[in-house]
Amino acid sequence: DVKVTQSSRYLVKRTGEKVFLECVQDMDHENMFWYRQDPGLGLRLIYFSYDVKMKEKGDIPEGYSVSREKKERFSLILESASTNQTSMYLCASSVPGQGPPEQFFGPGTRLTVL
Amino acid sequence: AQSVTQLDSQVPVFEEAPVELRCNYSSSVSVYLFWYVQYPNQGLQLLLKYLSGSTLVESINGFEAEFNKSQTSFHLRKPSVHISDTAEYFCAVSSNDYKLSFGAGTTVTVRA
Repeated sequence: DVKVTQSSRYLVKRTGEKVFLECVQDMDHENMFWYRQDPGLGLRLIYFSYDVKMKEKGDIPEGYSVSREKKERFSLILESASTNQTSMYLCASSVPGQGPPEQFFGPGTRLTVL
Repeated sequence: AQSVTQLDSQVPVFEEAPVELRCNYSSSVSVYLFWYVQYPNQGLQLLLKYLSGSTLVESINGFEAEFNKSQTSFHLRKPSVHISDTAEYFCAVSSNDYKLSFGAGTTVTVRA
């Protein structure tokens, strides 16, 4: 089974702090994704990466950056956290070029910014 | 560009009753379609997917969805729900090999 893990289930930070959310997958997937999930809005793509050190902006990249130094690890960075970044953050991974893009999700990190 | 509309945000249903969750999409190209389920305090799990071929697809736990190209719909149904089906359900569409577009989600609450 594919396993996608996220470093924290719950996180509380203060406005202005730099926040790191970590995601690790154990199935050698090339593609990795960061989404945020908000009530009534579904999942919105923040960034994705299709290879080590490669990244592309998703639909809502403002206020976020990412890092992918190793294939199995994809980090989401909030340079200066703000209250409107309070949300559930979901990481996912998938294998490209093998048909439809089934994505495998981690359990999520619920971030609260005070 | 593609988008997904889930027509119901909340669906309360009694145990053993049928349920239908509606999903419509817009896309100018051929698509792949998915339903994901999110149980309380968990991540998303794939429930079923339409790739090609038969327009009716089924999951192992009794859900089914039918792809209707003319109506651009992919509605999810289950003839008899259980308490354990209480969850949020997301419809998603993709037209390429990596990105998914998700609907806003439908929360199903099953009551005894």
